[in-house]
Amino acid sequence: QKEVEQNSGPLSVPEGAIASLNCTYSDRGSQSFFWYRQYSGKSPELIMFIYSNGDKEDGRFTAQLNKASQYVSLLIRDSQPSDSATYLCAVLTGNQFYFGTGTSLTVIP
Amino acid sequence: AAGVIQSPRHLIKEKRETATLKCYPIPRHDTVYWYQQGPGQDPQFLISFYEKMQSDKGSIPDRFSAQQFSDYHSELNMSSLELGDSALYFCASSSPLSGTDTQYFGPGTRLTVL
Repeated sequence: QKEVEQNSGPLSVPEGAIASLNCTYSDRGSQSFFWYRQYSGKSPELIMFIYSNGDKEDGRFTAQLNKASQYVSLLIRDSQPSDSATYLCAVLTGNQFYFGTGTSLTVIP
Repeated sequence: AAGVIQSPRHLIKEKRETATLKCYPIPRHDTVYWYQQGPGQDPQFLISFYEKMQSDKGSIPDRFSAQQFSDYHSELNMSSLELGDSALYFCASSSPLSGTDTQYFGPGTRLTVL
């Protein structure tokens, strides 16, 4: 079992809709959770991080963490074509980052 | 704001050659991480350094070595290159003093082994 699991997609949503990306992790001791966006051939770009249970909002992005269910999600409101990318969930466990395989999102104009 | 710098951005080598990738972390970041990302795959952690000492080791082949220097830049040395080493190599840096453990990625070096 991988440390971090993501649905690889592809996920397609129409422009203006809400995109929901999900991630589960296996180690209950994981302490920090990150969402990165990666365009093809480019480096991962941090969107946001979350440590505590609940929601964290930053502009059009909301991260949700449920430690009891070992689940972290990213909601993108008012999706734009420029949001089309692969979204990587990353989990910090001890001193190591573990990445999921990413979810490919396409926002259709 | 200054970001992580990696050089070269592109590198083409032949099998059994050696390659050296360089990484310059964000100023005042003292921790450096190296990742390898194959096509369609997630970044695989190779190795990390904190304050010039190796802090963690992932799936780094024995043919690879790395170090962090006194100015905190890091170099990844790759020997006896194989076709399967063709990938994007990312360096990331972080500062424990920031309290967030967030890793910021450089633009990557695309290595092609022919």
